[in-house]
Amino acid sequence: QVQLQESGPGLVKPSQTLSLTCTVSGGSISSGTYYWSWIRQPAGKGLEWIGRIYTTGSTNYNPSLKSRVTMSIDTSKNQFSLKLSSVTAADTAVYYCARDYGSGSSPLMDVWGQGATVTVSS
Amino acid sequence: DIQMTQSPSSLSASVGDRVTITCRASQSIANYLHWFQQKPGNAPKLLIYLASTLQSGVPSRFSGSGSGTDFTLTISSLQPEDFATYSCQQSYSAPFTFGPGTKVDIK
Repeated sequence: QVQLQESGPGLVKPSQTLSLTCTVSGGSISSGTYYWSWIRQPAGKGLEWIGRIYTTGSTNYNPSLKSRVTMSIDTSKNQFSLKLSSVTAADTAVYYCARDYGSGSSPLMDVWGQGATVTVSS
Repeated sequence: DIQMTQSPSSLSASVGDRVTITCRASQSIANYLHWFQQKPGNAPKLLIYLASTLQSGVPSRFSGSGSGTDFTLTISSLQPEDFATYSCQQSYSAPFTFGPGTKVDIK
């Protein structure tokens, strides 16, 4: 059974870059069947889709974050990553990675990591 | 962007009650609508996808319906483990937005 686990610093200073990695276990990230997504949730608020990446490295990002987001995938390590630059307090949230078995134009996140809390503060 | 709204924002119910939650999209999204359950401190769990298809392993007391702009999640007989927040999400067009959630708590 596939499992996902987020990892990365829990505290990031304003204007710096948030970096998170999602490690996939119990299945191959390069199977070609899935996309791999990032979603975030500020405390007490709703979920926000950040973007998704395919095994080829092809990406789709939320337009509201596109200028600051970079996603990458490392099939040799069975990991995919998120970088969010120029962070502010508004980027404080729980960040989730998820397996996405939707189509090329329509995501469907069926397996989620437990989430990583990231706080932006000096 | 497609805006997703949910009603009610919260509700109180008893074990055994039938519960209905509504999700509305700001424009037609066909059936590209998914429902998630989230318990405090936990990740969302996919319950229903494409408006009415039950995800594997999800109890049959959960059902979904609707198309276009109006969708419904129904729990036929609320169980203790169903007290949670339920969110809808559209996957019709990017950015793929979520509803604000409906919190179901114990009456």
